[in-house]
Amino acid sequence: NAGVTQTPKFQVLKTGQSMTLQCAQDMNHNSMYWYRQDPGMGLRLIYYSASEGTTDKGEVPNGYNVSRLNKREFSLRLESAAPSQTSVYFCASSYSRVGGSGNTIYFGEGSWLTVV
Amino acid sequence: SQQGEEDPQALSIQEGENATMNCSYKTSINNLQWYRQNSGRGLVHLILIRSNEREKHSGRLRVTLDTSKKSSSLLITASRAADTASYFCATDSLSSARQLTFGSGTQLTVLP
Repeated sequence: NAGVTQTPKFQVLKTGQSMTLQCAQDMNHNSMYWYRQDPGMGLRLIYYSASEGTTDKGEVPNGYNVSRLNKREFSLRLESAAPSQTSVYFCASSYSRVGGSGNTIYFGEGSWLTVV
Repeated sequence: SQQGEEDPQALSIQEGENATMNCSYKTSINNLQWYRQNSGRGLVHLILIRSNEREKHSGRLRVTLDTSKKSSSLLITASRAADTASYFCATDSLSSARQLTFGSGTQLTVLP
């Protein structure tokens, strides 16, 4: 049981380049999330998908797009990377369908992205 | 903006001692969770406490919640070197139950 798997683990981009972070979960979870983690800032929610076919903005959505491809997969796309997007990105999932209250979130191992 | 804020930012103790970390939050919550993150890894769920609960135990972990003060504490008893990690509190507010908001974390170092 792999849990939440995200790729790539490490990536260096030049300013203006685009890339997609891939995420898949095998726990039959309804909700999926993308967070970014910066030093001293904790985790901030970029986008989430409460169920297949829906996506919603989180706290810091600017510069990102997401696709909930199916129940298992949730991708994050940077259309034109900027140095401010240098961060560690975490994909996560939880069982909750309607309302996340009380549901444990399971995290992937992270993707380290550097934009130069 | 972050809902939860941990205190202290960093804590260093000797193996066998107890470690206490605090979390304060701003708005009314449904639940509060604590997560652990080892260096270079993802976050792992430790324990959840509901807004109508005051204390909860799980192994060497003890969590308290004071909704009147909007604060929670995580106590790790008889700490081990393997407990060295960052610890985060996360809250889901009454207005946004689908989203967990994380604090900036406490870095715990347990010295052997």
